[in-house]
Amino acid sequence: QSVLTQPPSVSGAPGQRVTISCTGSSSNIGAAYDVHWYQQLPGTAPKLLIYGNSNRPSGVPDRFSGSKSGTSASLAITGLQAEDEADYYCQSYDSSLSGWVFGGGTKLTVL
Amino acid sequence: QEQLQESGPGLVKPSETLSLTCTVSGGSISGYYWSWIRQPPGKGLEWIGYIHYSGSTSYNPSLKSRVTISVDMSKNQFSLKMSSVTAADTAVYYCARGVGSSSVWGQGTLVTVSS
Repeated sequence: QSVLTQPPSVSGAPGQRVTISCTGSSSNIGAAYDVHWYQQLPGTAPKLLIYGNSNRPSGVPDRFSGSKSGTSASLAITGLQAEDEADYYCQSYDSSLSGWVFGGGTKLTVL
Repeated sequence: QEQLQESGPGLVKPSETLSLTCTVSGGSISGYYWSWIRQPPGKGLEWIGYIHYSGSTSYNPSLKSRVTISVDMSKNQFSLKMSSVTAADTAVYYCARGVGSSSVWGQGTLVTVSS
């Protein structure tokens, strides 16, 4: 049971828009700690996709965007492409645990 | 371009100590925080802990009693030691630069705990 809750899976057709939610609590996302998102392609290390809730590192397409409200955060992917098929993880800091926590991960399938 | 490389035994016996090293190349270990994260086969990511180049550390409370992270600036390396391992510690272990929003990761190394 992860401290940050993500849907196990989402899917969409090429060109569509999908969103992945990350639900926390008052001790993490709701306490104004930043949320970061990672993309993990099969057999590879995670790659930073969004940092500080909504910022994209250099090289990440603007098809990827992040937002945060209250105790939740979301990752949106527009213009879905086959190469977006991967696992996606959210991350934040939890003051009750005094440590960093990850969501359980969401597997994105491009139909 | 900065690169991280994990190294260490791929097989550790139950109750023994897991030891891994992360070598930083193409950049300096100075000035940054450095993290260890693991991923059991088929499961999600778990933060293990981090170290600042100055030597200050923070650990996952669920692992704190068994984990030590250290830094060797002369070798541009940082290391992970986890004692009293069990099969539940079988995972791919990643080293990464930064704490939260880690932008540089090693490729990961699989450590299997088995007799």
